[in-house]
Amino acid sequence: SSELTQDPAVSVALGQTVRITCHGDGLRDFYASWYQQKPGQAPILLMYGKNNRPSGIPDRFSGSSSGTTGSLTITGAQAEDEADYYCYCRDTSANHFVFGTGTTVTVL
Amino acid sequence: QVHLQESGPGLVKPSQTLSLTCTVSGGSISTNDVYWTWIRQHPGKGLEWIGSIHYGGGPDYHPSLKGRLTLSVDTSKSQFSLKLTSVTAADTAVYFCARERTVGMVAYLDSWGQGTLVTVSS
Repeated sequence: SSELTQDPAVSVALGQTVRITCHGDGLRDFYASWYQQKPGQAPILLMYGKNNRPSGIPDRFSGSSSGTTGSLTITGAQAEDEADYYCYCRDTSANHFVFGTGTTVTVL
Repeated sequence: QVHLQESGPGLVKPSQTLSLTCTVSGGSISTNDVYWTWIRQHPGKGLEWIGSIHYGGGPDYHPSLKGRLTLSVDTSKSQFSLKLTSVTAADTAVYFCARERTVGMVAYLDSWGQGTLVTVSS
C-alpha cells in the first residue's frame, strides 16, 4: 500500500503564510482532502478536491495539487490555526484509504 | 446537518472482541454516494483509516486488519457497526466514525463523530 508523507512540524509567524505538503503516489491519480485537528477534538474537513472549502471554513485556507504532491496553504495564519493537519487520499490499490503522517502547525 | 455518535464499551479485555456502533441522525444512512467509515487514533499518534462500508454492503478493510475486522450497516436503526476480534493493547485508541463522500477523483470525510476511547486491558 502507498503512504502519504507530511513534514512533522512547521511554524509560522502570526499573519504570515505557511504551506503544508503531502507526498504520495496516490496523489497522481486522486485529489487529497485536508483535515484540521485540535487536541481532544475530532478532525474537521478543511479542503477537498482541487480547491473546495466546506461552508464555514475561512478563505485563508486554500489547496492545490501537482503530480504526487498535494498542498494546503494558510494565508495570514491566525492563532486559532495552531493544530495538527492531515491529508487523506485513496490508496493506489483503490479499495482503501490512507491518512498522511500529519503536520503540527505552530503559530508564533 | 448530519450528526454521528459512537457508542460502545470503553474497556475491552485482551483477546476479546471490540464492538462499536455509530448512530447517524439528521440525514439518511441509505445514500448512494456515501460510505460510512471508521478511523482510529492511537494515543499521541496520527489518524488511521480502518474501514468503510456502503449501506448496500461491500465493506473495505485496512489490509492489516483483514481477518479481524467486520463492518456492518443496519439501515432500520440508522446505525453502522464495527467488530474487531482478538484485540491486544495495540488496538487501544480513540475510534471515530465518519461520513465519507466520493465525488469523482476525491473522497472526503465531511462529518465526524466526537470519538470514543477504547482501552484494551485486563
